[in-house]
Amino acid sequence: AQSVTQLGSHVSVSEGALVLLRCNYSSSVPPYLFWYVQYPNQGLQLLLKYTTGATLVKGINGFEAEFKKSETSFHLTKPSAHMSDAAEYFCAVSDRETSGSRLTFGEGTQLTVNP
Amino acid sequence: DAGITQSPRHKVTETGTPVTLRCHQTENHRYMYWYRQDPGHGLRLIHYSYGVKDTDKGEVSDGYSVSRSKTEDFLLTLESATSSQTSVYFCATGLAGVGEQFFGPGTRLTVL
Repeated sequence: AQSVTQLGSHVSVSEGALVLLRCNYSSSVPPYLFWYVQYPNQGLQLLLKYTTGATLVKGINGFEAEFKKSETSFHLTKPSAHMSDAAEYFCAVSDRETSGSRLTFGEGTQLTVNP
Repeated sequence: DAGITQSPRHKVTETGTPVTLRCHQTENHRYMYWYRQDPGHGLRLIHYSYGVKDTDKGEVSDGYSVSRSKTEDFLLTLESATSSQTSVYFCATGLAGVGEQFFGPGTRLTVL
């Protein structure tokens, strides 16, 4: 069974600082990988995804993530944090070998951006 | 935006009562999912559907049932609500292939 680990349930950065949210997965074959963001009292919104091809993926709002097969990681970064980035972020994986597009989610990382 | 609505958005009920949550989509996506979100657990899959009248269990299906009589609607039923089912419930839809899912706004359910 797949699993997703997000290191750090809470991350706090200063406005303008680098954002780094960590995600590691366990899977027998490289899965599809996703980052979602959830703002308070809202549903989840897709930030970016990796399916195939270039391992550095760019998403919305200036975020990007790099798939590293050797490290089974898919860390999310943003060079300069903005107050509006404060939200909860979820890493998720989907098994390439099964239909149904089932996602396994990490437990989430709450990002706080300090002025 | 995949055009997903959930109803009701908020509900307070008592232990032992039946509850039905509705998810409606306008995108004609084949797959639909119900998740619950609890602090420290992320999102956990309750049930999912891969077509009309085709459903399967997720990782936390005990105490829940689902039905899908048409493409656009996916119902989640708690036959006899318990306090442990107090949670935020999210519906999602998806296409086959790469696994991306689109989420509704959620339903906050409180079981007293």
